[in-house]
Amino acid sequence: AQSVTQLDSHVSVSEGTPVLLRCNYSSSYSPSLFWYVQHPNKGLQLLLKYTSAATLVKGINGFEAEFKKSETSFHLTKPSAHMSDAAEYFCVVSGTGGGADGLTFGKGTHLIIQP
Amino acid sequence: KAGVTQTPRYLIKTRGQQVTLSCSPISGHRSVSWYQQTPGQGLQFLFEYFSETQRNKGNFPGRFSGRQFSNSRSEMNVSTLELGDSALYLCASSRTTQGNSPLHFGNGTRLTVT
Repeated sequence: AQSVTQLDSHVSVSEGTPVLLRCNYSSSYSPSLFWYVQHPNKGLQLLLKYTSAATLVKGINGFEAEFKKSETSFHLTKPSAHMSDAAEYFCVVSGTGGGADGLTFGKGTHLIIQP
Repeated sequence: KAGVTQTPRYLIKTRGQQVTLSCSPISGHRSVSWYQQTPGQGLQFLFEYFSETQRNKGNFPGRFSGRQFSNSRSEMNVSTLELGDSALYLCASSRTTQGNSPLHFGNGTRLTVT
């Protein structure tokens, strides 16, 4: 069994300040981990993925995430927030090597950017 | 390369009716998955098709069904609509079965049941 917990349902930061979106997971297998972003009335877009290569993963739009096995975390960060980053972010874990039932989505974190 | 295309973008139906949603995956992608997204339940997996075969099914009633054609296009059908079926329905395609390769999502079909 596997699960994913996004620790904050809402995060509010000022434009130009760092962003931290927290995600903890549990998995019986060596997991693959993903972050997706969803803008209003749009589908989800892949930001980055971890598949047991480097623990620090760089994604699109300046986002990166660090896989920490000891803490079972995969937090998403960005050094400087931009207004266009305002969106819903989903942490996803895949631990069974394939198949739709191997994907577990977090509940999402709504990122608000203050001008 | 064209992305995942879902049609229609918006639908309004009445309780008891049925509806068919369509999804065209990215060229070369053989897996198509469907998700229901609501504010209360978040993203819930409906089913996945790979090479015209249903690989997995989520915990939804039999009123929800789907199929995949030989060109990998997929349709999802909901019969005897209920108010609670109002949601954003998202389709995602991937090169192999999901979990092995990233999902590429369409913009969704917003279904409103009145």
